[in-house]
Amino acid sequence: GENVEQHPSTLSVQEGDSAVIKCTYSDSASNYFPWYKQELGKRPQLIIDIRSNVGEKKDQRIAVTLNKTAKHFSLHITETQPEDSAVYFCAASYGNNRLAFGKGNQVVVIP
Amino acid sequence: GAVVSQHPSWVICKSGTSVKIECRSLDFQATTMFWYRQFPKQSLMLMATSNEGSKATYEQGVEKDKFLINHASLTLSTLTVTSAHPEDSSFYICSASLHGTVSYEQYFGPGTRLTVT
Repeated sequence: GENVEQHPSTLSVQEGDSAVIKCTYSDSASNYFPWYKQELGKRPQLIIDIRSNVGEKKDQRIAVTLNKTAKHFSLHITETQPEDSAVYFCAASYGNNRLAFGKGNQVVVIP
Repeated sequence: GAVVSQHPSWVICKSGTSVKIECRSLDFQATTMFWYRQFPKQSLMLMATSNEGSKATYEQGVEKDKFLINHASLTLSTLTVTSAHPEDSSFYICSASLHGTVSYEQYFGPGTRLTVT
């Protein structure tokens, strides 16, 4: 199956700075890579995703980049705000429409 | 759009009893629903894939006789935890994929916190 590694596990940033989370995956057949934000006790929310035919995608302060050759993808959050504090999960698709999730990254934005 | 609900949001049960959790797609039809469990401060672990009108596919290490899944319609899947034990206490989350698309997008329910005493 697919194996997704995510690092760092915890990231603290000053408000207004940028945050970058990196993930690697193992299955070269994976073609869909979503990022989810999860606040404590709540459901994961899809914040951005990218497909294998695209190298970069941006949505306001959030961007995702994908390097299929190296099998890694990254989430970039610019101008961070306190409400960006949460756990972020990357995921990669594999057989039968399934998603394999990384271990998650706790982002803390310091006001 | 793409709203998924779960019921109940939390449940406490005694060891040895069974608990049923419902997952509904409210404004779309879901060919496929997924069931995950999540322990505190950990990632989402896929338990099984539920397809409408067919048997669920369980991930390795997940006991199908303990975690019964039924996907009777395009908007409803249920997970029954049978003979629950304290180690089954966890956050159970379902997700659903849009019917008729090749998209891998999954929309998550709010989760059900199960506590077995």
